[in-house]
Order: sequence, then structure tokens, then C-alpha cells
Amino acid sequence: SSELIQDPDVSVALGRTVRITCQGDSLRRYSASWYQQKPGQAPVLVISGKTNRPSGISDRFSGSSSGNTASLTITGAQAEDEADYYCDSRGSSGNRVFGPGTKVTVL
Amino acid sequence: QLHLQESGPGQVKPSETLSLTCNVSGGSIGSSSYYWDWVRQSPGKGLEWIGTLYYGGSTYDNPSLKSRVTISVDTSKNQFSLELTSVTAADTAVYYCASGYTGFNSLDYWGQGTLVTVSS
Repeated sequence: SSELIQDPDVSVALGRTVRITCQGDSLRRYSASWYQQKPGQAPVLVISGKTNRPSGISDRFSGSSSGNTASLTITGAQAEDEADYYCDSRGSSGNRVFGPGTKVTVL
Repeated sequence: QLHLQESGPGQVKPSETLSLTCNVSGGSIGSSSYYWDWVRQSPGKGLEWIGTLYYGGSTYDNPSLKSRVTISVDTSKNQFSLELTSVTAADTAVYYCASGYTGFNSLDYWGQGTLVTVSS
């Protein structure tokens, strides 16, 4: 299956740590990337190739992967981290697949 | 550092063809270093991959779009384009062009997006 599964909503208290997960069979073979999208804005890459953080992205963001699950961790969440987060990977036929997204609310 | 900018009509009639262009600056569309994607997002929904154009001209598109997609490149203008035929209201979305580095799956660069409404 090329489907990716994400929890639709996650909340985190200001300054605390939250982990967002992405599950799918394709993650056993292909690495996941993570994108942050704020309302009315284009997505921004925050983690590439499982664990790499692009230049300019806060070190609050980190990625990890195990088996069929990729994770994005926000350590010390800030108000500006409130956004939708999407994972993506490759499907069984090599096509790109996005997860349905997780809305992160910072309380 | 690439910069991408979408352009095209904001409204298309049902059954007609949606045509968008992505202008690329900061790098060459003919470079083997990059590949080029189109992604869309229906109102209130998640991201949907439309297709990818690779160096050398090969393209791959989302099977769910039932072969309605054509992605092409114009190296003289440093831009790439999307055509989506036989549109319906379900094709109303913000359309993004995006780019990644060859050999890597992530989309490192994104345009700001352009809203296309399918309506008569």
C-alpha cells in the first residue's frame, strides 16, 4: 500500500515536546520528508531524508524513523510552531505520496 | 537558492483545460541537479501530488488524475508548465510548483501557490 497515515490533530503545551508520526509500508523502503504549512502559506520543508534539517530551520525540529514509522519531534514548542504538518514519501510505484496532515495546536 | 513563481488564469470553465506556468529563477531548469513537481491543495484539504518532471524530460503523474496531466518544460524561458484537461469543480485548488534535488525525495523549494477555480 502507498498510503501514509497521520494523526489529524495533536496539541502541545507551550515549551513542551511533541512527536508527530507518519505510518506506511513505503517508509520501510523510502525515507520521509516533513513540511510545515501555516494558513494561507506554501508548505516549507522542515525535515528531509528522514533526519536532515534544511538551512534556516529551527533546531527544535528533528526527525527519526523506525520500521514503517517516521516521526517529527518539536522540542520546546513555540507559538509559531502551530501549523499543519505533512509527511511525504514514495509509494510502491515510485510516485510521491503525501500524508493527510497533522494539525498541531500549541496551548 | 531557487525561487519559483506560478502564473496562469484564476478561473477555468468545466470541461476545459487548466494551464499553469512556473517561472524558475536562481537556477537553470535544464540543470541535472533538480526535478520539478506540481502539487495542489483543495480548499480545506491536504496536499495532493500531481506529477514530476525529471531531467531529461521524463514525467510521472498521479494515477488518480486518470492521464489528464501533461507537464512540460521550456528551457528558453526557464519555466515548466502544467496542463490538466477536462477539469471539473473537484479540480478547484491552490496549485503549487515545487522543486527538489535529484536523488532526494524532498521538495526543498515551493512557489507561493495560485488559486484556480473551476466554474462556469
